[in-house]
Formats: sequence, C-alpha cells, structure tokens
Amino acid sequence: GIQVEQSPPDLILQEGANSTLRCNFSDSVNNLQWFHQNPWGQLINLFYIPSGTKQNGRLSATTVATERYSLLYISSSQTTDSGVYFCAVSPGSARQLTFGSGTQLTVLP
Amino acid sequence: DSGVTQTPKHLITATGQRVTLRCSPRSGDLSVYWYQQSLDQGLQFLIQYYNGEERAKGNILERFSAQQFPDLHSELNLSSLELGDSALYFCASSPRLGQLSGNTIYFGEGSWLTVV
Repeated sequence: GIQVEQSPPDLILQEGANSTLRCNFSDSVNNLQWFHQNPWGQLINLFYIPSGTKQNGRLSATTVATERYSLLYISSSQTTDSGVYFCAVSPGSARQLTFGSGTQLTVLP
Repeated sequence: DSGVTQTPKHLITATGQRVTLRCSPRSGDLSVYWYQQSLDQGLQFLIQYYNGEERAKGNILERFSAQQFPDLHSELNLSSLELGDSALYFCASSPRLGQLSGNTIYFGEGSWLTVV
C-alpha cells in the first residue's frame, strides 16, 4: 500500500516562530488532507489539498502532486497550535485515507 | 463541529465483553469510515460503507464488525475484547462523489475505549 512519511517527528518552538511540516507519499493520490489533533484527541480538518496551494489565516499548505510531497506552514505560532499534525492521503481510486505517523508540535510560551 | 456524531464518548469495559460504537454521518453523506487510533499502531483504517454496502476493508479484526443502516448511521461492534483493543475509535464521513467539496473526509470526535 501507499507509504506516507512525515517530518520532523517532533518539533518544539517558541511562541511567534514559524515552522514547516513535510509529508512525502509514495504513489499518486486523489486526496490529501492535513489534520490537527488537539490534546483532547479531536481531529480537526485543516486543508483538503490534493494539489496546489491554500491559505487559512496563519496556516498555509502546498502540495506538489507530481513530486509527491506536501508542506504545511505555520506562521507566528501560538501555544494553541500545539498538538499532532497528520497528513493523510487516498491513493488511486480509493476514498479511505492512509495516515502518516504525525508531527508532534509543542509551542512554548 | 464536523457534523459527524459519535457515541459514547468514553467507555470502560472488561476483557471478553462486547461493545457497540455508534456514528451518525454528516447530513447527506453516504460514505462512513471507521478508524482506530492506538499508541502502537497509529491511525488505522478499519472499514468503509457506502449507502449501506461495505465498500473497502482495512486492518479490521475478525472480532470486529460494522454495518450501515438505511438511515445511514453506522455501528461498529467489538467483541471478545482484549486489553490491546483499548484505543480511540473514529468515525468519519464524506460527501457523494462529484460534489463541490470534493473528497474531503470529516471526522467525528471519537469514542475512547478502555478495556480493563
């Protein structure tokens, strides 16, 4: 099956700093989503981005489908950004998502 | 709020028992997915239903089963529970193909299962 690799596995930032999270995938995809899992376990949709670039406030994402990677940018990080960020993809004609192992982000005050 | 509703939010049960987790998808969504998140296995796809029919199967144990009812809600049945089944179980739903929202999959808040 498709492989999804996220880096870095852990990231510690000072409040106000910027960061870039990366997701590499091993095959062509029809869906790519970024999620934020907060400390209460909720999975929050950040972006649906199988290709192109999107922005939502301090967050933006870019997917280069031909090169099989996606990037999530977090600017001016806040303590509430802490949690685990997951990249998930659907390969080929499948609709179910395959998740990466996540990036654990900790933002210090 | 994603619009996907899961009950119960928390459940503690003993080994060997059987539990049922319930999911109501977003209004109008025909696809329902079940995922398991455990510390050692990460987030794993279990099974997908589309309009009442099983569409795809992932790493679902034989002790687990699911169904989707005519009103589109779904239930995940976990039987002969073991300590290792302790996990966060997510339900998700997605719109029918061709809709403007594309293939976006929306997750519920999850059901925390603890087997003691």
